[in-house]
Amino acid sequence: AQKITQTQPGMFVQEKEAVTLDCTYDTSDPSYGLFWYKQPSSGEMIFLIYQGSYDQQNATEGRYSLNFQKARKSANLVISASQLGDSAMYFCAMSHNRDDKIIFGKGTRLHILP
Amino acid sequence: GAGVSQSPSNKVTEKGKDVELRCDPISGHTALYWYRQSLGQGLEFLIYFQGNSAPDKSGLPSDRFSAERTGGSVSTLTIQRTQQEDSAVYLCASSLDGTASNQPQHFGDGTRLSIL
Repeated sequence: AQKITQTQPGMFVQEKEAVTLDCTYDTSDPSYGLFWYKQPSSGEMIFLIYQGSYDQQNATEGRYSLNFQKARKSANLVISASQLGDSAMYFCAMSHNRDDKIIFGKGTRLHILP
Repeated sequence: GAGVSQSPSNKVTEKGKDVELRCDPISGHTALYWYRQSLGQGLEFLIYFQGNSAPDKSGLPSDRFSAERTGGSVSTLTIQRTQQEDSAVYLCASSLDGTASNQPQHFGDGTRLSIL
């Protein structure tokens, strides 16, 4: 069965430090995509970064990078030089080519401390 | 704006009433998704449209929930005989082409539904 697991319900990190948000997934399909979304307290869902299952390199978008370890079925989000504005809920999600349902993890609430 | 638009932004209604939620996706996006998010929880998939057809309705919680999409654009999610457990934020998202797994979803701001 397809599943996304985020084991950290909450994290506290000092401003300017790097932070890693964990995400593991389970799928039997060879072709899939992994996404991270940010949801601030205002509620909107903001797309951050995408990693395809066949991508050879880890995805990067500015301060965001995705540590993709395919054999371990892990897709951790790394935020470098954290900022107060990074405080939010972060969701890991997975999609498949064979169907278009996207499943989400339960999220990790990140608190950046000044 | 060019984003996904949802209306109303807030809806308060009495138990037993019917409600209709609207989603206007980004122009040109063929795929449209509905999710439900209860307070402090993750996203629960409800239904997905590719064009006007809904190949996956598996997430609809009960037969009180239905959704349609017309003209490959606007979608409405209808909840009949609302119950208190229906209280949640209902999020709509669209993507350019749902058949490709690398298409990110763009979300609306959601409709916050409260059932009294």
